Amino acid sequence: GAGVSQTPSNKVTEKGKYVELRCDPISGHTALYWYRQSLGQGPEFLIYFQGTGAADDSGLPNDRFFAVRPEGSVSTLKIQRTERGDSAVYLCASSLIGGTTGELFFGEGSRLTVL
Amino acid sequence: GNSVTQMEGPVTLSEEAFLTINCTYTATGYPSLFWYVQYPGEGLQLLLKATKADDKGSNKGFEATYRKETTSFHLEKGSVQVSDSAVYFCALSDRGGGATNKLIFGTGTLLAVQP
Repeated sequence: GAGVSQTPSNKVTEKGKYVELRCDPISGHTALYWYRQSLGQGPEFLIYFQGTGAADDSGLPNDRFFAVRPEGSVSTLKIQRTERGDSAVYLCASSLIGGTTGELFFGEGSRLTVL
Repeated sequence: GNSVTQMEGPVTLSEEAFLTINCTYTATGYPSLFWYVQYPGEGLQLLLKATKADDKGSNKGFEATYRKETTSFHLEKGSVQVSDSAVYFCALSDRGGGATNKLIFGTGTLLAVQP
């Protein structure tokens, strides 16, 4: 399909483990965003990429969270030493860089459960 | 900082009823305003937007007007359908000093329309 693709759709892990979540944006979209959505809350910004570089990582909660986008397309969100409080749906979105419409195209999310 | 406040749900209506979901915002400058919708089992998608004061966004029978004087962007629909059942998120673009499309979301309002 032509939309934003996220894998895995569901991930269950144990406290202390390492997790990677993958996002494949819409082809040609140079801007990529990660958000986190906890139960009953709206999406919360984590990090934004322009091309390969993280232009704004002010939303990452601590140094256990890290994201990369080495070739300016696919991105991976990495969480080290997971904690139960990391349980949430992690959303990825992409958009055209510099666009004035403000429209982000979201994937269906990766639901992370930390036991 | 910038923020969005929207009415809590769930909102339960009968088919063909009138819908209002309130949204107010706090922002410096002149953000763009958005309503995103999340249907069951799907990713967030843009419903409508307004980029300046007094603009009216509209789509699929939904409307919202950017009111700078009341810092509001209430969502309305004259006659809801069962297929409108979803979670609705109000959002503003936090463009800061650059051209990012970073969005700040409200907590979401669940709408349930009964036949």
